[in-house]
Amino acid sequence: QKEVEQNSGPLSVPEGAIASLNCTYSDRGSQSFFWYRQYSGKSPELIMSIYSNGDKEDGRFTAQLNKASQYVSLLIRDSQPSDSATYLCAVIQGAQKLVFGQGTRLTINP
Amino acid sequence: DTAVSQTPKYLVTQMGNDKSIKCEQNLGHDTMYWYKQDSKKFLKIMFSYNNKELIINETVPNRFSPKSPDKAHLNLHINSLELGDSAVYFCASSQDLGDGQPQHFGDGTRLSIL
Repeated sequence: QKEVEQNSGPLSVPEGAIASLNCTYSDRGSQSFFWYRQYSGKSPELIMSIYSNGDKEDGRFTAQLNKASQYVSLLIRDSQPSDSATYLCAVIQGAQKLVFGQGTRLTINP
Repeated sequence: DTAVSQTPKYLVTQMGNDKSIKCEQNLGHDTMYWYKQDSKKFLKIMFSYNNKELIINETVPNRFSPKSPDKAHLNLHINSLELGDSAVYFCASSQDLGDGQPQHFGDGTRLSIL
């Protein structure tokens, strides 16, 4: 079982719709979770962090965490073409060891 | 001002050569990291240092040797380069080892082995 698992996609969403990205993780002791966005040829950029169960909203982005189900998700509302990128789910294990999923490639269609 | 900067941005070299990648952060962070992103875009940690002390050393060939002269710098030296070393190498930093500190990435060094 992979430590952090994401659907690699590609995920296509029409402009203006909600994009939903999902991630599961294997280490039940994990406490810190992050979503990074990576444009092609660029570095990962932190867009959301979440540490407790429930929802966390920041602008058009909402992160959701369910530790009992070991599940993290990212919702992007009112999707824009500029949101087209690979989204990386990352989980902290141990001494700040950040473990990444394989990423979900998201395409927003105008 | 670039927060985490790496040099060089591109590195093309022959198999068997030795090369170094440099990383500097001006965020005042205590902790720095090296990651490797392979051709399938999978990003995996290699090393981390906290205040010049090695914290994480994943199962990386000992041809890879990190060096941290001070807490703002973390360099990566690679001996006897192999074809499989071709990848993008990212440096990152975080405030410290406190739980949940977000990590900020440099722009990456694209290493191509001929």
